[in-house]
Amino acid sequence: DIQMTQSPSTLSASVGDRVTISCRASQSVRSWLAWYQQKPGKSPKLLIYEASRLQSGVPSRFSGSGSGTEFTLTITSLQPDDFATYYCQQYNDYATFGQGTKVDTK
Amino acid sequence: QVQLRESGPGLVKPSETLSLTCTVSGDSMSTYHWHWIRQSPGKGLEWIGYIYYSGSTSYNPSLNSRVTISIDTSKNQFSLKVASVTAADTATYYCARRVSTGWPFDNWGLGTLVTVSS
Repeated sequence: DIQMTQSPSTLSASVGDRVTISCRASQSVRSWLAWYQQKPGKSPKLLIYEASRLQSGVPSRFSGSGSGTEFTLTITSLQPDDFATYYCQQYNDYATFGQGTKVDTK
Repeated sequence: QVQLRESGPGLVKPSETLSLTCTVSGDSMSTYHWHWIRQSPGKGLEWIGYIYYSGSTSYNPSLNSRVTISIDTSKNQFSLKVASVTAADTATYYCARRVSTGWPFDNWGLGTLVTVSS
């Protein structure tokens, strides 16, 4: 099965910062990669799909890039509502998730 | 806007069968794939399996022998059964929708915590 590895596990940042989260697949998933945001006690919310397509209603400060095995989620100017845990997920073969990256306050 | 809601016992004894139901409202179940996903501190987010509205299924190979997913489109519900549970099956269980293969999970339920304990 395909393993997904995110880095870092935790990221400390301030409002206004540019934030980058990486996700690596153990084998190519082409562009079948999604990013989700999860807040405590809530279900994951879809942000990005097909590696770079922004889900409807998601602010444009979120963007995704990459293909094959290397992917990146970028938040261009971190807002107070963005402190959360972010997960990548491949859907090229069944579905597997990264272990998550927690974005907290510096 | 489609809404999904999980329901079922929050406590299950070891070796028994975990049973959950997901009720779908706001849209037809036709043409979609209906999934179960769980989240635990130890294993993170883990895909369990899905059922198509026609009744065909696919399961995570790591759980395949213990999992059954069924659907009742007349009630707008689909269900999960996990047999022979252990403490490792303690998790928050989510139901989710997917348009088809090649699409992500675009709608999720709120989740329900299931604890396996005697």
